[in-house]
Amino acid sequence: AQSVTQLDSHVSVSEGTPVLLRCNYSSSYSPSLFWYVQHPNKGLQLLLKYTSAATLVKGINGFEAEFKKSETSFHLTKPSAHMSDAAEYFCVVTNQGGKLIFGQGTELSVKP
Amino acid sequence: GAGVSQSPSNKVTEKGKDVELRCDPISGHTALYWYRQSLGQGLEFLIYFQGNSAPDKSGLPSDRFSAERTGGSVSTLTIQRTQQEDSAVYLCASSLRRGSGLEAFFGQGTRLTVV
Repeated sequence: AQSVTQLDSHVSVSEGTPVLLRCNYSSSYSPSLFWYVQHPNKGLQLLLKYTSAATLVKGINGFEAEFKKSETSFHLTKPSAHMSDAAEYFCVVTNQGGKLIFGQGTELSVKP
Repeated sequence: GAGVSQSPSNKVTEKGKDVELRCDPISGHTALYWYRQSLGQGLEFLIYFQGNSAPDKSGLPSDRFSAERTGGSVSTLTIQRTQQEDSAVYLCASSLRRGSGLEAFFGQGTRLTVV
């Protein structure tokens, strides 16, 4: 069975400093992995996805994530946080049938 | 339309009443998902439709919940005899077809409040 664990429920950074949101997954086969972002009172938007091509995936708004099979991780990073990055971030794995399995989410706060 | 459309955007109902939530997926998308997001919680899978296959209902929390998808397009999620614990944001998503690497597009959700 597939599962995903987001290691931090809340992360707080200062504007201009790096962002690291951690995600570990469990999958019995080669997974597809996604990061979605949800701004307050907005819908979920895809940030980036990994589907067994390049292990370093670049997404929108300067975010990227690296798939590390040996560590079963798919951490999300950004070199320099912006105030507009404050949101809830979800790491997602799909099973072979296409069902999306969500992590519990990480709330990112950005301080001026 | 260009995206997944859900209606109503907000619904307040009295405990014990039935409610229907509607989802219009992106045209041509054969896969449709319903999720529930409670305050401060992650997304809870409810049900998954894929084309003409039998839906995956494994996430429905009780027999008060049901969903149908007519003509492979519009879907309705029905909650009978609503309870206060049903209060949540109900999210619908669609994707082009069944597959593990395909992006799902989400609607804005329906915020259900049971009083």
